[in-house]
Amino acid sequence: KNEVEQSPQNLTAQEGEFITINCSYSVGISALHWLQQHPGGGIVSLFMLSSGKKKHGRLIATINIQEKHSSLHITASHPRDSAVYICAVRSDTGNQFYFGTGTSLTVIP
Amino acid sequence: NAGVTQTPKFRVLKTGQSMTLLCAQDMNHEYMYWYRQDPGMGLRLIHYSVGEGTTAKGEVPDGYNVSRLKKQNFLLGLESAAPSQTSVYFCASVGHPLFGILTSGRPHNEQFFGPGTRLTVL
Repeated sequence: KNEVEQSPQNLTAQEGEFITINCSYSVGISALHWLQQHPGGGIVSLFMLSSGKKKHGRLIATINIQEKHSSLHITASHPRDSAVYICAVRSDTGNQFYFGTGTSLTVIP
Repeated sequence: NAGVTQTPKFRVLKTGQSMTLLCAQDMNHEYMYWYRQDPGMGLRLIHYSVGEGTTAKGEVPDGYNVSRLKKQNFLLGLESAAPSQTSVYFCASVGHPLFGILTSGRPHNEQFFGPGTRLTVL
C-alpha cells in the first residue's frame, strides 16, 4: 500500500510556466515535507508544514489537512528547478516518515 | 555545523562481503533513519532510531542491522551483502516534533539528509 501518492510522476515545462505538483496521503500526520533531489545529488528539505501555506521565493506549498492533500507550486519556472520533488509525511506518532515516489520535473529553456 | 555526514560515499562489494555505513549528525537530533533509494521507487525505510540505544525495523529491514551507541551516530551494517542490496543509501535525522528552532534558525523538526552512499554488490 502507498501511504503517499504524488502526481504527476513526470512533468516537462517551458521556462516561465507555473507548475503544480500534487500529494495525497492516507495516514495521520504531524507534518508534511516537500523535498528536492537534483540528479545524482543529495536530498534537501524545501518546506515543512502542518497547516496552511508557506512561501519561499518562487516556491509555494499548501496543505489541506481535512482533505489530506498538499500542493507544491513553482512560479516562473527556471531550468535550474529541474529536479525530482518528493512529498513526505511524518506520522502522527512522530517516529516514521512515508515518502511518495517523486515527481521528475524538467524545465526547458 | 556539518549537518548529516555519511561515509563512505561509494563502495563496491562482492557477494557475501560485509560492511558498515556510518551516519553522523551534529544537530543533537533524537531521530535518525536509514533509507534506500532504488530507481522508480520512493525512499524506503530500512531501520530507524528514536534515541540513543534504541533501534526499530522499518519497511525493508532484512539483511541489515543497525546500532546507535551514541546519539550522534547511526551505523548500518550489511553482514553478507547480496546483489539485491545494490542501491543508494541515505541517512536522515530530525529533531523531536515538539521542539522549536535550532540555533541555525532552521526548525528542529526539519528532516536533514546525508549526501548518500552508492553501494554496488557484484
